[in-house]
Amino acid sequence: DAKTTQPTSMDCAEGRAANLPCNHSTISGNEYVYWYRQIHSQGPQYIIHGLKNNETNEMASLIITEDRKSSTLILPHATLRDTAVYYCIVRVTGTASKLTFGTGTRLQVTL
Amino acid sequence: NAGVTQTPKFQVLKTGQSMTLQCAQDMNHNSMYWYRQDPGMGLRLIYYSASEGTTDKGEVPNGYNVSRLNKREFSLRLESAAPSQTSVYFCASTSLLDSPLHFGNGTRLTVT
Repeated sequence: DAKTTQPTSMDCAEGRAANLPCNHSTISGNEYVYWYRQIHSQGPQYIIHGLKNNETNEMASLIITEDRKSSTLILPHATLRDTAVYYCIVRVTGTASKLTFGTGTRLQVTL
Repeated sequence: NAGVTQTPKFQVLKTGQSMTLQCAQDMNHNSMYWYRQDPGMGLRLIYYSASEGTTDKGEVPNGYNVSRLNKREFSLRLESAAPSQTSVYFCASTSLLDSPLHFGNGTRLTVT
């Protein structure tokens, strides 16, 4: 599985959009991009995933560049409850494989 | 649905003691994973099981053994606990198709 690179930390004002980048320059054609978040010491929570098209759900939007080498998770109106560590991983579909997480981005939402 | 259930939630061991962390999922998933998370750090993969009857090493397998007892259950055993194994342990599962990992709530282990 391709490795990912994320900034260590980011800040965002409450009510503003939080844009969290992820670089996955060695991604393969059959690898999906997945985003998770971890609040305090709870188990990570799935947010969204995509292959090459932009995706949106009730939690967030995922924008994947045309060359698929990077993506951005967008939380449109961040709240204090969105303060968490956000992980971006890539995964080959159709097979079970090592699913490794990096250190993620620590998002701090402030008043 | 309970999802992924981990037991126990908390455990304190003395150095050299052994224990087994239990994980069960009720989503009929093929693949299961064990991760550890040290304070302020990301998740590191210990072992995973692609399907019933198979297990493979992850990034940090030393000091651990696993058993995929059946499709539902995947246990992690510490034969001789060490203080360096103090961590939060997460179990996760997923299907082979395009689906996300589902995580349990973790087992917080302290080895003194």
